[in-house]
Amino acid sequence: SQQGEEDPQALSIQEGENATMNCSYKTSINNLQWYRQNSGRGLVHLILIRSNEREKHSGRLRVTLDTSKKSSSLLITASRAADTASYFCATEGNTGKLIFGQGTTLQVKP
Amino acid sequence: DAGVIQSPRHEVTEMGQEVTLRCKPISGHNSLFWYRQTMMRGLELLIYFNNNVPIDDSGMPEDRFSAKMPNASFSTLKIQPSEPRDSAVYFCASSGQGYFANYGYTFGSGTRLTVV
Repeated sequence: SQQGEEDPQALSIQEGENATMNCSYKTSINNLQWYRQNSGRGLVHLILIRSNEREKHSGRLRVTLDTSKKSSSLLITASRAADTASYFCATEGNTGKLIFGQGTTLQVKP
Repeated sequence: DAGVIQSPRHEVTEMGQEVTLRCKPISGHNSLFWYRQTMMRGLELLIYFNNNVPIDDSGMPEDRFSAKMPNASFSTLKIQPSEPRDSAVYFCASSGQGYFANYGYTFGSGTRLTVV
C-alpha cells in the first residue's frame, strides 16, 4: 500500500534552476525520508526528517515537514544534469515499516 | 563496508521454476527489508525482519513467496513456483538503530527477475 503521494509526477527543468517536489501522506509518522533512484539502480538515502523537526538542510537539499498538513517538500537548489533521477518520499510510522510514494521523475537539461 | 549485497543481479527463469534471491545486509544493521518494484505498483514492502525475526509479512503476495533470515548476515527470498507476473526488480535493504538511525535505509542494487 502506498502511504505517500508525490507531486508532480514528472518535472523537467534547466540546469541551474531549482526543483521542488512535494509529498503528502495519510497517517502519523515518526520520520519522513527522501531517496533518489537513478535509472536501473538501487535507491540512495538523501535525508531524514523527524516528526518534531520542521526543516532540514543537506548541501543543496532542503526538506520541510508540516505534520499538521501531513506534507513535506524537497527543494534541490542550483540543479545539475547529474540530479536527473527519480525521487521518492517514504514515511516510517510506529510499525517500523518504511512506505514509499510513487515518486517524482526529475529531468535536468544541460 | 561494501553495502547491502544482493545476488544475482539478473535472473531469467521459466514459469514454474523455483527462484531464490539472496541478500547480505550491512554489518551492525538489525533490520532487513525486502521490496519489490514494478512500473504499475511502484515500491512494495514484502516482508521485514528485526534481529532475524520476521515482524511483518503482510506484503507477501501469496504462499508462493517465502523469506528467511537464518542469521544476521544473510537472508533469502524464495518464489516457488514462479509466474510471469512475478517479474520485477526485488530490492533488499537494511537499517540500524543508534548511530545508524539517522541514515535511513541502505538499499542493495536489486535483482531484476524475469519469468518467461
